Amino acid sequence: GAGVSQSPSNKVTEKGKDVELRCDPISGHTALYWYRQRLGQGLEFLIYFQGNSAPDKSGLPSDRFSAERTGESVSTLTIQRTQQEDSAVYLCASSFGDYNEQFFGPGTRLTVL
Amino acid sequence: AQKVTQAQTEISVVEKEDVTLDCVYETRDTTYYLFWYKQPPSGELVFLIRRNSFDEQNEISGRYSWNFQKSTSSFNFTITASQVVDSAVYFCALCLYNFNKFYFGSGTKLNVKP
Repeated sequence: GAGVSQSPSNKVTEKGKDVELRCDPISGHTALYWYRQRLGQGLEFLIYFQGNSAPDKSGLPSDRFSAERTGESVSTLTIQRTQQEDSAVYLCASSFGDYNEQFFGPGTRLTVL
Repeated sequence: AQKVTQAQTEISVVEKEDVTLDCVYETRDTTYYLFWYKQPPSGELVFLIRRNSFDEQNEISGRYSWNFQKSTSSFNFTITASQVVDSAVYFCALCLYNFNKFYFGSGTKLNVKP
């Protein structure tokens, strides 16, 4: 399809393990965002990529979290040494340019046991 | 600091009733954008509307309408003649010009009963 895709859709891991979440944005979208949504809560901004500019990492909660994006394509969010409080749905969104509507993916539900 | 408050955690209405979802934002910037998104039970957020801070005209789209008032820093969303398919969580969001970082409210869960 032409929408934002994320993989895996579900991930169960043990505390202390590393996980990698993937986001494929809509082709041509220059901006890409990662958010975290804890159960019953709003969206928490994590990181923002725009083209080849330096990413805005101001929302990353700790140095265990990192993200990369190659050009204007796929992005990966890595969480090292996962903790139980990392359990949440991780949402990716992309948009064309700045301040425009974001198209969201279906999310990755991460459960840390 | 920027902040978006959606004080209504959950609202229940009966089909065909009108309902207003409140959104209050805080920012010292004069140029910004406001958004509403819908998150149905299926989970994927869907864009509804974007407004810039210089455009206070109210907007109507079918059964949906939005009331933007800078004087009260509010951007409220009204659904007229609600339907069961309107049941979802609705999020209000603020984006500052030149920062492109989105601040989302905690969401309002709307239950429309038949």
